Amino acid sequence: AQTVTQSQPEMSVQEAETVTLSCTYDTSESNYYLFWYKQPPSRQMILVIRQEAYKQQNATENRFSVNFQKAAKSFSLKISDSQLGDTAMYFCAFNLISNFGNEKLTFGTGTRLTIIP
Amino acid sequence: EAQVTQNPRYLITVTGKKLTVTCSQNMNHEYMSWYRQDPGLGLRQIYYSMNVEVTDKGDVPEGYKVSRKEKRNFPLILESPSPNQTSLYFCASSLGGGGAFFGQGTRLTVV
Repeated sequence: AQTVTQSQPEMSVQEAETVTLSCTYDTSESNYYLFWYKQPPSRQMILVIRQEAYKQQNATENRFSVNFQKAAKSFSLKISDSQLGDTAMYFCAFNLISNFGNEKLTFGTGTRLTIIP
Repeated sequence: EAQVTQNPRYLITVTGKKLTVTCSQNMNHEYMSWYRQDPGLGLRQIYYSMNVEVTDKGDVPEGYKVSRKEKRNFPLILESPSPNQTSLYFCASSLGGGGAFFGQGTRLTVV
């Protein structure tokens, strides 16, 4: 079974600074996807960024980028120029496409990020 | 607008009273899932569906039922709710590999 670990339950950073959220995962498979989801106080789950395991290039989406280290099974999220709207719970998630086609996301326990004005 | 719609958003019920949480997506996705979110546990998959009439258990299926009679709808049924099913529930849909689209969530309280 796959597991996802987020070792930072809470973090805070000053507005406009850069912050990095950590995520490690465990799998014996080689083909999978990794995601970061954001959950603001509205509770909506919002996809922030996606990384395919077969791609060596790290994904970027505007101020959000990842550091994907496949051998180390590490997938950290970097938020640059942080904004008040970035305050949210962030979940790391793993998606293994099994032979039975279950689009199952395995989630970490989340990191609560607070941006301080 | 592409979306996954869940109803209701909030629900308080009593132990043993059957309830259904509806979920509908307008993106023609084949894959749909239900998750529950509990503090300190992240989100865990309850049931999933690969297509019409094809469903299977996720990690925490006990006490839940689902059906997939139409591609767009995937209701979650609690036939005899218990207090340990008090949680935040999410429906999700996806094409495959691209990340899932989530509904707005349903906050269920069973007293």
